[in-house]
Amino acid sequence: DVKVTQSSRYLVKRTGEKVFLECVQDMDHENMFWYRQDPGLGLRLIYFSYDVKMKEKGDIPEGYSVSREKKERFSLILESASTNQTSMYLCASSLGGYNSPLHFGNGTRLTVT
Amino acid sequence: AQKITQTQPGMFVQEKEAVTLDCTYDTSDPSYGLFWYKQPSSGEMIFLIYQGSYDQQNATEGRYSLNFQKARKSANLVISASQLGDSAMYFCAMREVSGNQFYFGTGTSLTVIP
Repeated sequence: DVKVTQSSRYLVKRTGEKVFLECVQDMDHENMFWYRQDPGLGLRLIYFSYDVKMKEKGDIPEGYSVSREKKERFSLILESASTNQTSMYLCASSLGGYNSPLHFGNGTRLTVT
Repeated sequence: AQKITQTQPGMFVQEKEAVTLDCTYDTSDPSYGLFWYKQPSSGEMIFLIYQGSYDQQNATEGRYSLNFQKARKSANLVISASQLGDSAMYFCAMREVSGNQFYFGTGTSLTVIP
């Protein structure tokens, strides 16, 4: 079974802090994704990566950056956390191809105070 | 235009009854995949079922089946013999051959009543 592991289940940070959310997958998937989930808005794509050191902006990249130095690890960085970034963050991975599903981590619930 | 539309924000079903969750999609790609995910209150997203655009038969996985109507661009999830543990948010998603992105609907909250 594919395992996608997010480093923290719950995180509380202060406004202005630099925040790192880490995600690791163990199935050699090329593609990795970071989503943000808010009530009534569904899942919104922040960034995705289709290969090491490659990244593409999703729908809401502002205020975020990402890093993928190794194939199995995809990090989401909040350069200067703000209260409007309080949310559930979901990491996912997949093989390439339109028939390959996303496999999700358990999510990180981030609160910025 | 929305790529994935789920028009039912909330649904209720009696235990042991069947329920259909609606999903319509919009794409001009000839090849695409359709996916359904379940998200219980604990938050994890669980992959349920997949339907490919060229699949001739509707996909089934245990109590889950997908009612795929290509001409109507609909991919409805049918859950048979509902159980209390089926209470969750359900998301429909699509992936096109032309890109790596997944497009998600806004979800349907299903509540199973004992």
